[in-house]
Amino acid sequence: QQQVKQSPQSLIVQKGGISIINCAYENTAFDYFPWYQQFPGKGPALLIAIRPDVSEKKEGRFTISFNKSAKQFSLHIMDSQPGDSATYFCAATLNTDKLIFGTGTRLQVFP
Amino acid sequence: DTAVSQTPKYLVTQMGNDKSIKCEQNLGHDTMYWYKQDSKKFLKIMFSYNNKELIINETVPNRFSPKSPDKAHLNLHINSLELGDSAVYFCASSQAPSEQYFGPGTRLTVT
Repeated sequence: QQQVKQSPQSLIVQKGGISIINCAYENTAFDYFPWYQQFPGKGPALLIAIRPDVSEKKEGRFTISFNKSAKQFSLHIMDSQPGDSATYFCAATLNTDKLIFGTGTRLQVFP
Repeated sequence: DTAVSQTPKYLVTQMGNDKSIKCEQNLGHDTMYWYKQDSKKFLKIMFSYNNKELIINETVPNRFSPKSPDKAHLNLHINSLELGDSAVYFCASSQAPSEQYFGPGTRLTVT
């Protein structure tokens, strides 16, 4: 019940395309849903986050869509760029206690 | 100035040895964490300290012992290293669990 399932495991997108990463959870007690971005050889960094009472949040080319009834949320990267190539992790917090990470999606954007 | 720093960045050692990884944060955060990232990129929390007090202790072998001399430092000592301990270890800090700042990681290789 404390898992966050993430798909796909890897994603290849052409420059200018839309990258979509999906996550699903079971525990309705999760109260915050951040996305982290990790470049090779670096630590994860907070990218964007959403609370469950909001259906969408947009920051630049990055958008989180949240479907509370389906217990799913997704990250959309518009106009994907080669510099977006990284591993993306969805996550959830439980009672603001700790972060539970998804399994990660390796995104490759080709010119 | 680096927000969360870890030393060393690389650590190669033999089975059975004892080693330590150090972490320091200059963000003034109250909470610090240790994560293990395996070869499949899966991120798993190991420990969390809030103001020098242990608050999260996941199912981690007793060979792993964290120590927080003050709220800006969290070290990880590993006894009797095993092949399965090979991974990247990340330190992180936060003021809220949902927004964590990660260090650059320590790649531990046990031979």
